[in-house]
Amino acid sequence: KNQVEQSPQSLIILEGKNCTLQCNYTVSPFSNLRWYKQDTGRGPVSLTIMTFSENTKSNGRYTATLDADTKQSSLHITASQLSDSASYICVVRGSNDYKLSFGAGTTVTVRA
Amino acid sequence: GAGVSQSPSNKVTEKGKDVELRCDPISGHTALYWYRQSLGQGLEFLIYFQGNSAPDKSGLPSDRFSAERTGGSVSTLTIQRTQQEDSAVYLCASSRHPQPENTEAFFGQGTRLTVV
Repeated sequence: KNQVEQSPQSLIILEGKNCTLQCNYTVSPFSNLRWYKQDTGRGPVSLTIMTFSENTKSNGRYTATLDADTKQSSLHITASQLSDSASYICVVRGSNDYKLSFGAGTTVTVRA
Repeated sequence: GAGVSQSPSNKVTEKGKDVELRCDPISGHTALYWYRQSLGQGLEFLIYFQGNSAPDKSGLPSDRFSAERTGGSVSTLTIQRTQQEDSAVYLCASSRHPQPENTEAFFGQGTRLTVV
């Protein structure tokens, strides 16, 4: 069973609207969680990293939250733009473990 | 180079043929990962290289898959006697030594393999 589950699998939003993506994980002990953005035909690129002690972190119109107690993270996209259309992948790293656990991703489509 | 480079970007091969996928990591990065991304699926760990240590091959799906990393830099993933289920995007990533734990992994653009 995958240790990182993401929802929804895909979503479509209108330009200018907000959306929230969810990530639940079971990786333990936990070290950090990254949200990656993967444009079509490209490799994933890191948006933000959350460590155990951090609850929220922003990167422009992207805001990530983390609840390490419930093992949940979210990525909120504000005032979406067409360029936000991509797959968003949640990646969790365990302590003292070089392997990364990937979620299946959420495909976001922003329409004009 | 400035980023992780993978070649070829696309590969179509006949079932039963062997293929080699190449990854050039970022200069100075000692850690190198191979992942496989099937349609609609998350990234699947294949193999991990770290410096001169023995690679972690625990993710390789069968003995048809092998990988090497020469001189601690370029890596080649080889798939022998390809099968249709091998069709996927193969992603390579590199990072500085995995410690500290917040070290970021940088990904190449991937090689899309199609077995017909």
